[in-house]
Amino acid sequence: GAVVSQHPSWVICKSGTSVKIECRSLDFQATTMFWYRQFPKQSLMLMATSNEGSKATYEQGVEKDKFLINHASLTLSTLTVTSAHPEDSSFYICSARVGARHEQYFGPGTRLTVT
Amino acid sequence: QQQVKQSPQSLIVQKGGISIINCAYENTAFDYFPWYQQFPGKGPALLIAIRPDVSEKKEGRFTISFNKSAKQFSLHIMDSQPGDSATYFCAAAYGNKLVFGAGTILRVKS
Repeated sequence: GAVVSQHPSWVICKSGTSVKIECRSLDFQATTMFWYRQFPKQSLMLMATSNEGSKATYEQGVEKDKFLINHASLTLSTLTVTSAHPEDSSFYICSARVGARHEQYFGPGTRLTVT
Repeated sequence: QQQVKQSPQSLIVQKGGISIINCAYENTAFDYFPWYQQFPGKGPALLIAIRPDVSEKKEGRFTISFNKSAKQFSLHIMDSQPGDSATYFCAAAYGNKLVFGAGTILRVKS
């Protein structure tokens, strides 16, 4: 149980275009989903927290107009990187949580490369 | 205050040996302490977790030791195997948030 999927697993896009990444909880309903960013050989940095049906809460320093998050249902959250630039190239990982429990279950990640 | 300090950065252990990774925190509001295992190109997977009212938790070859007064916790991997070679992250949670340590790259030599 507690499986989280992400799509796509990797994507290459040109500078200036937008990319959407999907995160799905496959066998449970996720009241809260999280988006993280991870640079090579570094730790995970929380970008934003989203609750189903409400606006995402962004961490300090994360541009909300650049990283659009939508949590339309209890099993789906999307992250759209708008007007992507090479510095946005990174490994993006989502996680999901059930209710008020602390346990977060992570997706397999999406490798974004902006050329 | 929000940091979780993890050591060592990297660790090499012989097959069958014990791998020990340590973490320390400052914020006493943290109330849940998980460990995650991450393989290259994959998302982190929850290994084992502990709450501060417990001093030790064991699941198979993995044990968390927790010292509330010292604000430290550690992961012990007994009988380490080459398949355990991965990056390990400790984390601490309060409210909605998980704060991650910097990670430890473990290599188990066969």
